[in-house]
Amino acid sequence: QKEVEQNSGPLSVPEGAIASLNCTYSDRGSQSFFWYRQYSGKSPELIMFIYSNGDKEDGRFTAQLNKASQYVSLLIRDSQPSDSATYLCAVNRGNQGGKLIFGQGTELSVKP
Amino acid sequence: DTGVSQDPRHKITKRGQNVTFRCDPISEHNRLYWYRQTLGQGPEFLTYFQNEAQLEKSRLLSDRFSAERPKGSFSTLEIQRTEQGDSAMYLCASSKDRGAQPQHFGDGTRLSIL
Repeated sequence: QKEVEQNSGPLSVPEGAIASLNCTYSDRGSQSFFWYRQYSGKSPELIMFIYSNGDKEDGRFTAQLNKASQYVSLLIRDSQPSDSATYLCAVNRGNQGGKLIFGQGTELSVKP
Repeated sequence: DTGVSQDPRHKITKRGQNVTFRCDPISEHNRLYWYRQTLGQGPEFLTYFQNEAQLEKSRLLSDRFSAERPKGSFSTLEIQRTEQGDSAMYLCASSKDRGAQPQHFGDGTRLSIL
């Protein structure tokens, strides 16, 4: 079992729809969770981070964390073609920094 | 503030050669990380520094790889006797050192081994 798992996709949604990206992790001691967006040929760009159970909203993005289910998700409202990218889920085991464990990423395609 | 800077952006070399990459973190960031990413995969952790101290190194990292951060500012990653399997994007990230701060990535160095 991989430490951080994501569906590789591609996930295709129409413009204006809600895109839902999911991630599960195996280490129950994980404390910090991050979502990165990566355009083809570019480096990862931080979108959201979440440390506590529940929802965290930032503009069109909402991160959701459920530590009991070891599940973190990213919702993108009013999806735009410019949101088409690979979304990487990353997990940090502690709360003192250190390495991130990444999933393989989910490719999102937003169709006009 | 300026972002993480990596140099070179691209490196093409023959198998068996040594290569060195440089990373300049965001100025107030004390933590510096190196990752490697291959096509279709998420970044894979290589090593990490807090100031000049190397705090963790991946067990998957062969002894051909070495990283330094001598003055706690920029870092270098050297790969000796390169192999075909070393072809990848090498990413550097930095973060502040209070708790689990988000890591910010540079543009990466793409290494191609001929």
